Amino acid sequence: EIVLTQSPATLSLSPGETATLSCRASQSVNNYLAWYQQRPGQAPRLLMYDASNRATGIPIRFTGSGSGTDFTLTISNLEPEDFAVYYCQQRSSSWTFGQGTKVEIK
Amino acid sequence: EMHLLESGGNLVQPGGSLRLSCTASGFTFSNYAMSWVRQAPGKGLEWVSTMSGNRLYTDYADSVQGRFTVSRDNSRNTLYLQLTSLRAEDAATYYCAKGDVPGALHYFDLWGRGTLVTVSS
Repeated sequence: EIVLTQSPATLSLSPGETATLSCRASQSVNNYLAWYQQRPGQAPRLLMYDASNRATGIPIRFTGSGSGTDFTLTISNLEPEDFAVYYCQQRSSSWTFGQGTKVEIK
Repeated sequence: EMHLLESGGNLVQPGGSLRLSCTASGFTFSNYAMSWVRQAPGKGLEWVSTMSGNRLYTDYADSVQGRFTVSRDNSRNTLYLQLTSLRAEDAATYYCAKGDVPGALHYFDLWGRGTLVTVSS
């Protein structure tokens, strides 16, 4: 099973700042990686797929990068609605999720 | 507008059984693989099971293999998950999720609001 490790567990930032989230895979997943956002009490929402492609309707302040084992989600100019938990997910071998990074208001 | 609605969650005793349902609307259901993903209270996401649109392919997480069974009725636009031999660690919100491309499952581009399964005596 491919294990995804996300860091940090929690990121404390202010609106307008930039969030940088990391996801590391236990073995190469090529670019077969997605990011999801989950707001409190809501279902997850697909943000990025194949590492760097924004899903439909996702603002350009969300940027994904990486390949192989190391991936980054960058959220520029944080808006109030961006404070949430973010998960990475790989599809290279079955489907697994990282444990999540919580972006909280500082 | 595309929509998924789960139902069937309930309180069940350890060793018990339950059937979850997910009704889809707004897209051609039979064209897409569908999955179940669960989330234990305060925890992360765990993929549980997937069935292809034509029902020929199924897959399960090791943690549920042999205890859970996924099925679908394309005439009713509904996905099911039969849960048996339930354990305390199966307690979670179960989400239904749609595959992102016709005929394949890469990512999950539409999620329902989830249905809560509680396992307790």
